[in-house]
Amino acid sequence: ELKVEQNPLFLSMQEGKNYTIYCNYSTTSDRLYWYRQDPGKSLESLFVLLSNGAVKQEGRLMASLDTKARLSTLHITAAVHDLSATYFCAVGNLGNEKLTFGTGTRLTIIP
Amino acid sequence: NAGVTQTPKFQVLKTGQSMTLQCAQDMNHEYMSWYRQDPGMGLRLIHYSVGAGITDQGEVPNGYNVSRSTTEDFPLRLLSAAPSQTSVYFCASSETGTGAYEQYFGPGTRLTVT
Repeated sequence: ELKVEQNPLFLSMQEGKNYTIYCNYSTTSDRLYWYRQDPGKSLESLFVLLSNGAVKQEGRLMASLDTKARLSTLHITAAVHDLSATYFCAVGNLGNEKLTFGTGTRLTIIP
Repeated sequence: NAGVTQTPKFQVLKTGQSMTLQCAQDMNHEYMSWYRQDPGMGLRLIHYSVGAGITDQGEVPNGYNVSRSTTEDFPLRLLSAAPSQTSVYFCASSETGTGAYEQYFGPGTRLTVT
């Protein structure tokens, strides 16, 4: 059974600082998603990572995937208040659209 | 494109009542799914469909039924609501295959069972 763990579950950080959210998964998978969710809202797709060593960047967010270590990271650079949200990773396999989600990381950026 | 739409946005049911949560997409996606989101547990897959006439169970299917008569619609039926089904329900859709396909989520339905 595929299990997906995120850490930390809660993260409070100051504006301007850098930090990383980790996503570990238990079985071989080849599709990794990162989503953002604002309170009371739906999920917004941030990144889709397919291959080992894949790295994608959008603004202050950068996601990477190490399929051998079964690990993905979401790195935040010079955090700003607008990045406050809950971030989820989700894992699936090519040819099978079912996703298994992590429990989420609630990120709060303090001015 | 409206994307993925869900109705209603909010619903309160009494224990034992039945209802249908509606989900529709206008992107001609073959894959559709239903998730529930509970505090501290992330999203869990209830049922999914890879095309019209094809459905299958996800991680937490008990108490829910689905059908897929058209590509566009994928309703979720609660047969006899229980307080444990109080949750936020999200419908999602995507293309299928081996590409980097995004899954698009609807706005959600917040369900309370008393």
